[in-house]
Amino acid sequence: DTAVSQTPKYLVTQMGNDKSIKCEQNLGHDTMYWYKQDSKKFLKIMFSYNNKELIINETVPNRFSPKSPDKAHLNLHINSLELGDSAVYFCASSQDPGRGGVYGYTFGSGTRLTVV
Amino acid sequence: AQSVTQLDSQVPVFEEAPVELRCNYSSSVSVYLFWYVQYPNQGLQLLLKYLSGSTLVKGINGFEAEFNKSQTSFHLRKPSVHISDTAEYFCAVSDYGGATNKLIFGTGTLLAVQP
Repeated sequence: DTAVSQTPKYLVTQMGNDKSIKCEQNLGHDTMYWYKQDSKKFLKIMFSYNNKELIINETVPNRFSPKSPDKAHLNLHINSLELGDSAVYFCASSQDPGRGGVYGYTFGSGTRLTVV
Repeated sequence: AQSVTQLDSQVPVFEEAPVELRCNYSSSVSVYLFWYVQYPNQGLQLLLKYLSGSTLVKGINGFEAEFNKSQTSFHLRKPSVHISDTAEYFCAVSDYGGATNKLIFGTGTLLAVQP
């Protein structure tokens, strides 16, 4: 059983389209994240949800909208895709940091988005 | 604000040789540090973490790291590498704020093990 699974693994689309990436975790974690990894392998956090509540919202274009229907799922919807959105997007999960601890993440295997 | 610096973008090494991957951090509060490994076309996997206690931390696959507060470093070491250790290695610091647990990553070091 995959702990954090993302779909699709690869996504090729044209500029201006709208697309979604889905993420699901079966670890019982309360907190989920979206990270973007650019072509130079740099990882930057985009969003974090804790029990369906948005707790981290970095400086990301508002074309990106996360949605968490329940604590096991965190989806990422992107409107009006641009060339610069091409990257690998990683979903991750962790235990609830509000419990007073620092926890490592469990990552999904990534979604490689290519905008043409 | 917390940050990490990985000065070496690539470290070539021969199989069975020892290796050290360098990581330096800056933090104004309590420090929580991590090393992750990313194999080609895969997600990141936790190698080890330092939260408190012993400054020498042992992780998976024979890796270990030493937390050095005076030098603000958290270097990763392995006494003898294998071809299969070829991967990208990321150091990260937690920007723990009580209610959030944001990991801030370094730019990564590619460990290239040659036969």
